[in-house]
Amino acid sequence: ETGVTQTPRHLVMGMTNKKSLKCEQHLGHNAMYWYKQSAKKPLELMFVYNFKEQTENNSVPSRFSPECPNSSHLFLHLHTLQPEDSALYLCASSLRTSYNTGELFFGEGSRLTVL
Amino acid sequence: GENVEQHPSTLSVQEGDSAVIKCTYSDSASNYFPWYKQELGKRPQLIIDIRSNVGEKKDQRIAVTLNKTAKHFSLHITETQPEDSAVYFCAATLWQGGKLIFGQGTELSVKP
Repeated sequence: ETGVTQTPRHLVMGMTNKKSLKCEQHLGHNAMYWYKQSAKKPLELMFVYNFKEQTENNSVPSRFSPECPNSSHLFLHLHTLQPEDSALYLCASSLRTSYNTGELFFGEGSRLTVL
Repeated sequence: GENVEQHPSTLSVQEGDSAVIKCTYSDSASNYFPWYKQELGKRPQLIIDIRSNVGEKKDQRIAVTLNKTAKHFSLHITETQPEDSAVYFCAATLWQGGKLIFGQGTELSVKP
């Protein structure tokens, strides 16, 4: 158990649905991340939050909306997704400062299928 | 921005053989290079990392080498075992709070 928990583990949604992915970390980390993992592609960084503030938005479409209410919780709100958005969404956390990238601790991912 | 290329995409070896995975990076400012291992259905986990002030780092059966001039780094696994079968990702970034950019991944299969 790495201390990063993601729910739900599996999600199937239609293109008109609204759903949310949740991530929680109990490691005392200050930075949280969303990565997208598609088959045969590298792990794609989507968003970075540092002390609840968004520090990185990697040109992600607005149908993905992150929310970080505190340093322990991270959400990814999903709205009017496309079938090509089907992927494994990985949350990660790290103890990150401006002087140290820090090791990423990943959750087990949320497998999203968009019909 | 940084771009990381990883080869090969798949690698099959016999148990006991060595395996080598290679990555190249584009940003000469990058100075931190971690490797993550992702077993089937599980989360990626850090297995070894290297910073640009050293050329090689070893931890039991795994080692990483770095050539800053050529901008490439490699993962070496010796005496491979079936439990080494997984997808391995290299990454590059600036140690001082940079954005971690991953390679495409290498699926390693170790046949008993």
